[in-house]
Amino acid sequence: EAGVAQSPRYKIIEKRQSVAFWCNPISGHATLYWYQQILGQGPKLLIQFQNNGVVDDSQLPKDRFSAERLKGVDSTLKIQPAKLEDSAVYLCASSLLTASYEQYFGPGTRLTVT
Amino acid sequence: DAKTTQPTSMDCAEGRAANLPCNHSTISGNEYVYWYRQIHSQGPQYIIHGLKNNETNEMASLIITEDRKSSTLILPHATLRDTAVYYCIVRSPPMDSSYKLIFGSGTRLLVRP
Repeated sequence: EAGVAQSPRYKIIEKRQSVAFWCNPISGHATLYWYQQILGQGPKLLIQFQNNGVVDDSQLPKDRFSAERLKGVDSTLKIQPAKLEDSAVYLCASSLLTASYEQYFGPGTRLTVT
Repeated sequence: DAKTTQPTSMDCAEGRAANLPCNHSTISGNEYVYWYRQIHSQGPQYIIHGLKNNETNEMASLIITEDRKSSTLILPHATLRDTAVYYCIVRSPPMDSSYKLIFGSGTRLLVRP
């Protein structure tokens, strides 16, 4: 079974530029999550989708971050404009259902903002 | 916010049992204890979870105290590949609106050869 795929794996941009990350969840998984992990900290949930609807985006900085999950499969997370403090690893995860006890994580995208 | 307290780091010898403690003194009666781990440069990986009873699977055992205020994750025969950050998470039941994973800083386990 293929795992959660993410691209790119690494990205370096200058502040005020924009960037987008892509995630392909495990086939058949209805729930998709985006997490931000700052160096030395645990992951923090940014947004959760159930199919193509948003379940929780309470921690998403909506003035600069946006996410979509068209057709309830792939998802993109965008930052525009980026700030230095956005430097982090962005992790995508999926689960079969919202109530599933196990989330499967992708390898993450490491973003460096200079 | 995270509701658990874990040691910042631990180490153990390869082949020996690794016992990782977690304090969750404010846990509610219907909240579960979850453990995930994160190997360097990878995403977190689910290990095990439990409510009241001790649990065991192919990866680890979870021992929860009778008052549920603390728990211990046991890796019975640690290998070098078990070197990782281990997260203990208290999680609401599935139908609760706050059912989400809230990660703390975890315990960095180093398995020595």
